[in-house]
Amino acid sequence: AQTVTQSQPEMSVQEAETVTLSCTYDTSENNYYLFWYKQPPSRQMILVIRQEAYKQQNATENRFSVNFQKAAKSFSLKISDSQLGDTAMYFCAFMKRELNDMRFGAGTRLTVKP
Amino acid sequence: DAGVTQSPTHLIKTRGQQVTLRCSPKSGHDTVSWYQQALGQGPQFIFQYYEEEERQRGNFPDRFSGHQFPNYSSELNVNALLLGDSALYLCASSFMTVGMNTEAFFGQGTRLTVV
Repeated sequence: AQTVTQSQPEMSVQEAETVTLSCTYDTSENNYYLFWYKQPPSRQMILVIRQEAYKQQNATENRFSVNFQKAAKSFSLKISDSQLGDTAMYFCAFMKRELNDMRFGAGTRLTVKP
Repeated sequence: DAGVTQSPTHLIKTRGQQVTLRCSPKSGHDTVSWYQQALGQGPQFIFQYYEEEERQRGNFPDRFSGHQFPNYSSELNVNALLLGDSALYLCASSFMTVGMNTEAFFGQGTRLTVV
């Protein structure tokens, strides 16, 4: 079974600074996807960034980037130039390539302070 | 383009009752997955429907059942409600075909409270 671990229940960062959220996972699969989702108080899960395991290049989406270490089974999210609107719960998720169900970590509550 | 819509947004039920939650997928999506998110936790996969059949199931008892209609919309039914069923129920829609867009779009969820 795949498990996803987020070891930081809460984090805070000053506006305009950079913060890194950690995620590790356990799988015997070779083909899979990894995701970071953001869940603001509105409750809707919003995709932040996606990484395909067969791609060595780390994914980047504007201020968001990942550090994907396949051998170490690590998938961290870096948020640059943090904004107040980044305040939310952040969930790391794993998905086998041939399936569409996702396994989520317990989440990290990020607070951006003015 | 309407995204994933869920109804109702909030619901209060009594222990032992039955509940039905509804989900309409994003236009063009053919697969619906349901997740249970207890307070302070990450979403847990309940099951997934594709072509009107349950394709995958997580570790949930048979009290949790579902259905998918020809228009791809879906229902989640929970029988004999327990206090522990209180949670946010999330619906996500996507494409089943591997190699196509694998991004899952989520609805805003139904907050179920069992008293």
